[in-house]
Amino acid sequence: NAGVTQTPKFQVLKTGQSMTLQCAQDMNHEYMSWYRQDPGMGLRLIHYSVGAGITDQGEVPNGYNVSRSTTEDFPLRLLSAAPSQTSVYFCASSYSYLWDSPYEQYFGPGTRLTVT
Amino acid sequence: QQQVKQSPQSLIVQKGGIPIINCAYENTAFDYFPWYQQFPGKGPALLIAIRPDVSEKKEGRFTISFNKSAKQFSLHIMDSQPGDSATYFCAAMYSSASKIIFGSGTRLSIRP
Repeated sequence: NAGVTQTPKFQVLKTGQSMTLQCAQDMNHEYMSWYRQDPGMGLRLIHYSVGAGITDQGEVPNGYNVSRSTTEDFPLRLLSAAPSQTSVYFCASSYSYLWDSPYEQYFGPGTRLTVT
Repeated sequence: QQQVKQSPQSLIVQKGGIPIINCAYENTAFDYFPWYQQFPGKGPALLIAIRPDVSEKKEGRFTISFNKSAKQFSLHIMDSQPGDSATYFCAAMYSSASKIIFGSGTRLSIRP
């Protein structure tokens, strides 16, 4: 299994540009989520999905869109990039949104995004 | 609103020492508390987790201590090694919601 994969690894955008960060998992996980990681801020939840066709907002959803047309894929779209969106973005997945012990979210390797 | 407060922000310990990272939470509905370890350039990975019905959990050199009345929990690393140098995140979640709330992270350096 490849686990959780993310593309691209690095991206530079100009203010106002749009782009899609790709995330895929091959573990048949129901739950997928997107986080951004900023120094001193930890991991903040952007959007999440508990299954194909179902998405919901997290803590910092503004400026981002998601969709979940398949179990495997959960792309994150930046509508109009702003310098405040410069960050490292992580996608994660887990077996179920109803936690069981041990409950683990599997993280991808991250996408480092810079908006100039 | 930060629901999980983590300290310290950074920590330097000599090899063999016992670094301790502390977390406090506000929401008493939280009922699962994982710790994640992140190496540079990698995504976080689950290290150890605890439920509030136990006061301590050990896995190898890693121990979680949990104080339900104080709403605090901490990670101890016994006989720390340079390979333990990483960023550590505490987290909290509750079964009625489908999200994990992370602390702000602790950057740990173990000096040889």
